[in-house]
Amino acid sequence: EIVLTQSPGTLSLSPGERATLSCRASQSVTSNYLAWYQQKPGQAPRLLIYGASSRATGIPDRFSGSGSGTDFTLTISRLEPEDFAAYYCHQYGSSPLTFGGGTKVEIK
Amino acid sequence: QITLKESGPTLVKPTQTLTLTCTFSGFSLTTSGVGVGWIRQPPGKALEWVAIIYSNDDKRYSPSLRSRLTITKDTSRNQVVLTMTNMDPVDTATYYCAHRMVAQPVMPFTSWGQGTLVTVSS
Repeated sequence: EIVLTQSPGTLSLSPGERATLSCRASQSVTSNYLAWYQQKPGQAPRLLIYGASSRATGIPDRFSGSGSGTDFTLTISRLEPEDFAAYYCHQYGSSPLTFGGGTKVEIK
Repeated sequence: QITLKESGPTLVKPTQTLTLTCTFSGFSLTTSGVGVGWIRQPPGKALEWVAIIYSNDDKRYSPSLRSRLTITKDTSRNQVVLTMTNMDPVDTATYYCAHRMVAQPVMPFTSWGQGTLVTVSS
């Protein structure tokens, strides 16, 4: 089973700042099948990034994903008020599918 | 447009069996490479993958829950049913169903239901 470790657990930033979220896998993620989701309270997760770096339909270009193998990063270039939420990484290349523990981006 | 909706009991007693139904539209589970999975989230905690079934009837389960789970599909009704036996208070969570494709390109869960909160308590 691939264990995904996200850091930091909480990120306190101001609107307009850059956010950098990390996801580290316990072993190499098959074909870089790594996704990022955003989740707001009371809502289902929304797909942001798949294949480590491809933006999902309708996702603003301030969201970008990078990385390969075991180290992946989600970057939000300039935080908008609606970006304060929880973010989860997810590997979907091998079974069992797994999710990271999440990073909460909060307003400083 | 793909939509999914979970249904089932909101409250179950410890040791009981939970049955959840995911009713979907906008795709068919007879199409090659389609999958419908279940993901749960305890209050205030992270997402946890539970199970998935594919159009070829391949079924996969979380190793930690495998002995308690059964996932089935009813293609005529566009439904996927998850049963979980011997429910415990630690199983209290919002349960989501979600759609994915594994035909090229291989995709993660792209469309999710709204989720249903299941509380386990006597």
